[in-house]
Amino acid sequence: DVKVTQSSRYLVKRTGEKVFLECVQDMDHENMFWYRQDPGLGLRLIYFSYDVKMKEKGDIPEGYSVSREKKERFSLILESASTNQTSMYLCASSFLDRGLRNSPLHFGNGTRLTVT
Amino acid sequence: TQLLEQSPQFLSIQEGENLTVYCNSSSVFSSLQWYRQEPGEGPVLLVTVVTGGEVKKLKRLTFQFGDARKDSSLHITAAQTGDTGLYLCAGEGGSGGSYIPTFGRGTSLIVHP
Repeated sequence: DVKVTQSSRYLVKRTGEKVFLECVQDMDHENMFWYRQDPGLGLRLIYFSYDVKMKEKGDIPEGYSVSREKKERFSLILESASTNQTSMYLCASSFLDRGLRNSPLHFGNGTRLTVT
Repeated sequence: TQLLEQSPQFLSIQEGENLTVYCNSSSVFSSLQWYRQEPGEGPVLLVTVVTGGEVKKLKRLTFQFGDARKDSSLHITAAQTGDTGLYLCAGEGGSGGSYIPTFGRGTSLIVHP
């Protein structure tokens, strides 16, 4: 089974801190994603990456950046955390099948971030 | 703008009841997935539907993809407490042909014993 591991289940940070959320997948997937999940708003895409050192903005990239130095690791960075970034953050990965179609997403268990 | 509309948003039923969750869009999708998310965990894939009119069954769960590939439904027969969770639909290949999945806002299901 594919395993997508997020380094922290819970994080509490102060306003203005720089925050790193780490995600590692063990199945050599090309694509990796960062979503945030808020009640009533569903999953919103922050950033995604389809290859090492490649990154693309999702729907809500403001206040975030990402890093993908190695294929298995995709990091989400909050440059200066704010209270409105309190949320559940979900990392996911997928691969391109032989028909160059995207496989379904494999998700980590999430990091619940609280910014005070 | 939310391209996938899920309904209902909340559902609270008794064990043994049947239910249907809907996922609708004005866009045509090349495929659509259903996921279930339990508290404290990430979403887990239930099924992928690809062909218009396709019906897939997973034990007591029946998934249907609309003929025009713009909508889908999930029907649960004789719900059990273990079915409790957040059900999410996600479509790919929608507006602009993007391979990035677009998620609905989810249906939160509670099944009472």
